[in-house]
Amino acid sequence: GAVVSQHPSWVICKSGTSVKIECRSLDFQATTMFWYRQFPKQSLMLMATSNEGSKATYEQGVEKDKFLINHASLTLSTLTVTSAHPEDSSFYICSAGEGVNTEAFFGQGTRLTVV
Amino acid sequence: ELKVEQNPLFLSMQEGKNYTIYCNYSTTSDRLYWYRQDPGKSLESLFVLLSNGAVKQEGRLMASLDTKARLSTLHITAAVHDLSATYFCAVDMSGAQKLVFGQGTRLTINP
Repeated sequence: GAVVSQHPSWVICKSGTSVKIECRSLDFQATTMFWYRQFPKQSLMLMATSNEGSKATYEQGVEKDKFLINHASLTLSTLTVTSAHPEDSSFYICSAGEGVNTEAFFGQGTRLTVV
Repeated sequence: ELKVEQNPLFLSMQEGKNYTIYCNYSTTSDRLYWYRQDPGKSLESLFVLLSNGAVKQEGRLMASLDTKARLSTLHITAAVHDLSATYFCAVDMSGAQKLVFGQGTRLTINP
């Protein structure tokens, strides 16, 4: 199957700083990527849809000014958590597919800890 | 709004036993996924079910989809300890890989 790679796998940052997470499709082009968040012992919740060359679409309750998404190329989407706080500590996972009606593939996830 | 509900949420079973995890969803969809997640890891794709009546099997796991009942099942046969994990079902809302996940079923298999 297609490969989606995330970087970094884990990051620890100080409260108030910003953190950037990258999501790359390694062997296919993805006009759309998705960002999910998973708190401990909970399910995955969709945060936003990243659209290549246009603005991301955020789910209800997700602050677009806090979670900045950039999808500048067909193989890379980035999620920047701005002014991070301890409550932003979570597991962030991206996904992408090769096109409509194809399977979604997930990255390895990024464990963010804000101290 | 699409809702996906799994049950049970927690399951502790003995090795060698059989059990089924259920996944109900609230609106029409023709694409349903089952994933496995180990602690601290991302999702491992188990099955993609694309049509009514679809049945797929891999080892001790078998998944099925009934789109009319909006129900999918994940059946575990003769469980072994290595199958201990959290299992998620997820429904693709529009064929565009935008997924809504169930709550997850935490499966513990005891020797």
